[in-house]
Amino acid sequence: QKEVEQNSGPLSVPEGAIASLNCTYSDRGSQSFFWYRQYSGKSPELIMFIYSNGDKEDGRFTAQLNKASQYVSLLIRDSQPSDSATYLCAVDSDNTDKLIFGTGTRLQVFP
Amino acid sequence: GAGVSQSPRYKVTKRGQDVALRCDPISGHVSLYWYRQALGQGPEFLTYFNYEAQQDKSGLPNDRFSAERPEGSISTLTIQRTEQRDSAMYRCASSLEAGGTVAGELFFGEGSRLTVL
Repeated sequence: QKEVEQNSGPLSVPEGAIASLNCTYSDRGSQSFFWYRQYSGKSPELIMFIYSNGDKEDGRFTAQLNKASQYVSLLIRDSQPSDSATYLCAVDSDNTDKLIFGTGTRLQVFP
Repeated sequence: GAGVSQSPRYKVTKRGQDVALRCDPISGHVSLYWYRQALGQGPEFLTYFNYEAQQDKSGLPNDRFSAERPEGSISTLTIQRTEQRDSAMYRCASSLEAGGTVAGELFFGEGSRLTVL
C-alpha cells in the first residue's frame, strides 16, 4: 500500500470554478501535512500546510484535514488558468522529519 | 545565491560509470533532503541530513547509492556503477529547521537530470 495516495488526474475545471484535490495517507502517526505545487518542468513549491483537524484558509486556498479518516484535501476557489499545475500532497512519516510525497494530481483550468 | 543550488543540471553518462551530484542548500538551513523524481511521479524520498548527520537513508535504492554532508552544508549524492534504471531527476531540498512545524517547508533546487546510456 502506498503511503500517500492521490488521483493522478488530470482534473479539468473551468475558470472561476472550485477545484477539489484529495489525498489519503496510511501512517496514523503522521502529524504534518503539506501541499506543494509543481509547474511543468519546474521544482515543487510549498503552498499550504496544516497540522490540526479542520480547515485552514489562505487566500483562494483551503486545506482540510481529517485525521480520523486519514484524509487531507485542498480546495482552490475561483480557479485561474495560472493554477494549472501538478499538486503534490506530502505527509511526515510518523512525526519525523522524513516527508513522503504522493504522485500528484494534475490540474487543468480552462478559460 | 539565495536558493538551493544543484550541479550539474544535466548529466549524461555511460552505464557502469560513477556520478556525483552536488547540492548547495540555502545558507543556514539545517536539514537537507535528497529526492528522486521520475516523469509524471511525485518526489521519492532517498535520504536526509540534519547538520552533518545522516538521519535516514531508508530510501536509498541499494548500496550503489550513498550521500554525505561532511560539514553540514554542501551535500553530495554519489551513484556508483550507474545503471539505466538510475536515469531520473534528482532533487535536493533544504529546510530551515530540524523538526517542529517548519520542518516540512522544503525549498527545492532545480534538480540534476541524470541520463544513463
